[in-house]
Amino acid sequence: EVQLVESGGGLVQPGGSLTLSCAASGLTFNIFEMSWVRQTPGRGLEWISYISASGAIKFYDDSVKGRFTISRDNAKKSLFLHMSSLRPEDTAVYFCLSAGNWGPGTQVIVSS
Amino acid sequence: TQMTQSPSSLSASVRDTVTISCRASQGINKYLAWYQQKPGKAPRLLIYDSSNLQSGVSSRFSGRGSGTDFTLTIADLQPEDVATYYCQKYDSAPWTFGQGTKVEIK
Repeated sequence: EVQLVESGGGLVQPGGSLTLSCAASGLTFNIFEMSWVRQTPGRGLEWISYISASGAIKFYDDSVKGRFTISRDNAKKSLFLHMSSLRPEDTAVYFCLSAGNWGPGTQVIVSS
Repeated sequence: TQMTQSPSSLSASVRDTVTISCRASQGINKYLAWYQQKPGKAPRLLIYDSSNLQSGVSSRFSGRGSGTDFTLTIADLQPEDVATYYCQKYDSAPWTFGQGTKVEIK
C-alpha cells in the first residue's frame, strides 16, 4: 500500500521560513514524479510545485516562484519543500502527491 | 490555462445520475484528472487521462472528453458520493485545478 506522510508544518511569522517533508513508502519512489499542492477554504486546491523522478526538472506556480524550492532524496524516499519569505496568503494545508496518491496534509499558518 | 467547473454545487436524489462539467480555456488533449474530496480528507483520484477509471474506484464513476470540454458522470448516486469533486489538468505546468463542485443528496 502506498503511503505518503507530510510533516514540518506549523506556525511561522510573515517573512519566515519552513521546510516541509514528505516520507513515501510502498512505491518505487525513484521512478515517480512528485508534486506539492495546497488547499485553503477560499482558494480551493492549488498546485504549487512539481519535480521529476530524477530531480532534474522542476516547475513552480507563479505564486511561489523564487520563494519555494522543491527537492527530493531518492535514497531516503523523501520529498521536500523549502518555503521562504512566507506570507499570510501561504497559510494552507499542504499535500504531497504522486501517481494519484496523496498524503493527509500538513497545516502551515503564517501569522504574527 | 484556466479550468472552469460547473455547476459549483448540485443537489440530487439517491439513484439519480449527475454530470459535472470542466472546461479548459485552452486545449489540454486528454490530460485531465478527476478527484473526490470528503471533508477533512485528502482528495482521492477517480479518473485519469480523461476517461480511465483508477483502480478500486466504483464503475458508477465515468469520465469523458478531450481538448477543452470534459465531464464526470456519477450514475446511481449514493449517500457515500457526497463530496466535492475537482478536475485538474496535467498537460503542462501549471497543473491547474478547477474550483470544485459540491455534490449533496436531496
